[in-house]
Amino acid sequence: DVKVTQSSRYLVKRTGEKVFLECVQDMDHENMFWYRQDPGLGLRLIYFSYDVKMKEKGDIPEGYSVSREKKERFSLILESASTNQTSMYLCASSSRTSGDNEQFFGPGTRLTVL
Amino acid sequence: GEDVEQSLFLSVREGDSSVINCTYTDSSSTYLYWYKQEPGAGLQLLTYIFSNMDMKQDQRLTVLLNKKDKHLSLRIADTQTGDSAIYFCAEMGPSGGYQKVTFGIGTKLQVIP
Repeated sequence: DVKVTQSSRYLVKRTGEKVFLECVQDMDHENMFWYRQDPGLGLRLIYFSYDVKMKEKGDIPEGYSVSREKKERFSLILESASTNQTSMYLCASSSRTSGDNEQFFGPGTRLTVL
Repeated sequence: GEDVEQSLFLSVREGDSSVINCTYTDSSSTYLYWYKQEPGAGLQLLTYIFSNMDMKQDQRLTVLLNKKDKHLSLRIADTQTGDSAIYFCAEMGPSGGYQKVTFGIGTKLQVIP
């Protein structure tokens, strides 16, 4: 069974803390993505990576950075968390060679910044 | 840029058909998708359609694509309480070397027993 796992389901952090969200996929996918999901705004792409050590900005990269040191792992970093980064964070992966470009999602991490 | 629009909420009675609508702006879209998100879970691909198709049927699901009007719909026949979820319309268009997927805001389907 294919899987995308995220390190935490729920996380509570304080303003100014450095936050790491980890995502691991076991499908040998080249592409990995980080989205945030907010009510009324849907999914917005933060960053994506199409290969190890490669990263590209999505639509809302400000305040975030990412790391892809290994093919299976894609980390989202909040250098200094702020309350407006309270959100649901979803990781996804996809294969570059699949015909339909289906994205496989993790269960999400609900981050609260106090 | 690309934009995908869909209504926020739909309520139907169990056993009725549900129709969720979506409009998109990118005329070069190659794939159009419907993803389902159940409570507390990530998104899961429900079905998709190539841009050169008008219709796709998969058991209780029917996808209709009107490319001229850039309108996509998902019909769920004999809607069940287990169909209660958020449904995301998404489109994929070429963007340089990476084929970007743009998601709508999601339509919350409530099925009343």
